[in-house]
Amino acid sequence: DGGITQSPKYLFRKEGQNVTLSCEQNLNHDAMYWYRQDPGQGLRLIYYSQIVNDFQKGDIAEGYSVSREKKESFPLTVTSAQKNPTAFYLCASSRGATNQPQHFGDGTRLSIL
Amino acid sequence: QKEVEQDPGPLSVPEGAIVSLNCTYSNSAFQYFMWYRQYSRKGPELLMYTYSSGNKEDGRFTAQVDKSSKYISLFIRDSQPSDSATYLCAMIDVGGATNKLIFGTGTLLAVQP
Repeated sequence: DGGITQSPKYLFRKEGQNVTLSCEQNLNHDAMYWYRQDPGQGLRLIYYSQIVNDFQKGDIAEGYSVSREKKESFPLTVTSAQKNPTAFYLCASSRGATNQPQHFGDGTRLSIL
Repeated sequence: QKEVEQDPGPLSVPEGAIVSLNCTYSNSAFQYFMWYRQYSRKGPELLMYTYSSGNKEDGRFTAQVDKSSKYISLFIRDSQPSDSATYLCAMIDVGGATNKLIFGTGTLLAVQP
């Protein structure tokens, strides 16, 4: 079955630690996205990538970094510079054309120890 | 003022009721409209995707778009307890260079058996 796989489902971060969230898709989609979801605030865009080896900052990129070395993979690193990292992180992908809907993985919940 | 306004609910209805979920928006550059369903601790699942003003039906779900009033709705007929979830509206801003989705904050729906 085609889809988007996020791992792990739950992640705990210690103070001063960087953590990496995995996102893999086998939909052959060109574009991939990372969102953060907080209660009452909806989804906010962190980073997006329309093609391999290229990515752009979204609305709340500070404290996060990404890479896009392969079409199917778009990992997100939450750095120690992100002072409020506790949230539900969602990865999405789309065919890349501007009018295509995005499809989501099942998320990673990050908490602070 | 937010670009997309959505009543957060919670909305509680008895099984079998017709449910109406609504979003309003302010930006005329929003041309493609989606409804997502999100169960607790899961990623959003695409339910409906539409472009034109008017109605689009898929089983028990009907999406309605009124571009002149900048208003979209999702109707659920014969609602079931399994429909209990958060419903997110989303819109694509075609005025930008990328497939940027703008989300509502979501409406929490509970269907009581």
